[in-house]
Amino acid sequence: ELKVEQNPLFLSMQEGKNYTIYCNYSTTSDRLYWYRQDPGKSLESLFVLLSNGAVKQEGRLMASLDTKARLSTLHITAAVHDLSATYFCAVVGVNTNAGKSTFGDGTTLTVKP
Amino acid sequence: DTGVSQDPRHKITKRGQNVTFRCDPISEHNRLYWYRQTLGQGPEFLTYFQNEAQLEKSRLLSDRFSAERPKGSFSTLEIQRTEQGDSAMYLCASSLDRAGVTEAFFGQGTRLTVV
Repeated sequence: ELKVEQNPLFLSMQEGKNYTIYCNYSTTSDRLYWYRQDPGKSLESLFVLLSNGAVKQEGRLMASLDTKARLSTLHITAAVHDLSATYFCAVVGVNTNAGKSTFGDGTTLTVKP
Repeated sequence: DTGVSQDPRHKITKRGQNVTFRCDPISEHNRLYWYRQTLGQGPEFLTYFQNEAQLEKSRLLSDRFSAERPKGSFSTLEIQRTEQGDSAMYLCASSLDRAGVTEAFFGQGTRLTVV
């Protein structure tokens, strides 16, 4: 059974600082996703990572994937208040269709001035 | 058609009542998924359809839950004899079954509160 573990679960950081969220998963995977969720809202897709060594960047967020270590990271650079949200990683097992993901429990990020 | 649409957005019901939610996927998507998300947790997979066929059901989907996708377009998720533990956000997602397609798209969700 595929398990996905994120840490930390809660993160409070000051504006302008850098930090990394970690996502570990238990079995071989085809794909890994990062989502953002604002309170009471649905999931917004941030990144899709498909291969070992994949790195994607959008604004102040950068995601990477190490399939050998079964680890993905979401790095936040110079945080701003607008990044406050809950971030989920989700993993799709090998030969599993794109929509059947196993999610971590999320990292709730609060960026303080 | 701009995305996955779910209705209603919020539902409050008394324990023991039946509720039904609707999901309209992105029009060309032939796969449709239901997830449940409780407070402080990530979404959990419930079931998925390819066209009108329900191909997989999670063990989370008790016999009080039933999902249909009668014409391979919209889907409904019904919960019978609701319990307080059913209170959650129910998310629908859709994707296209084609080589190279890498992700599904989520709707806004239906938040169920059982009182």
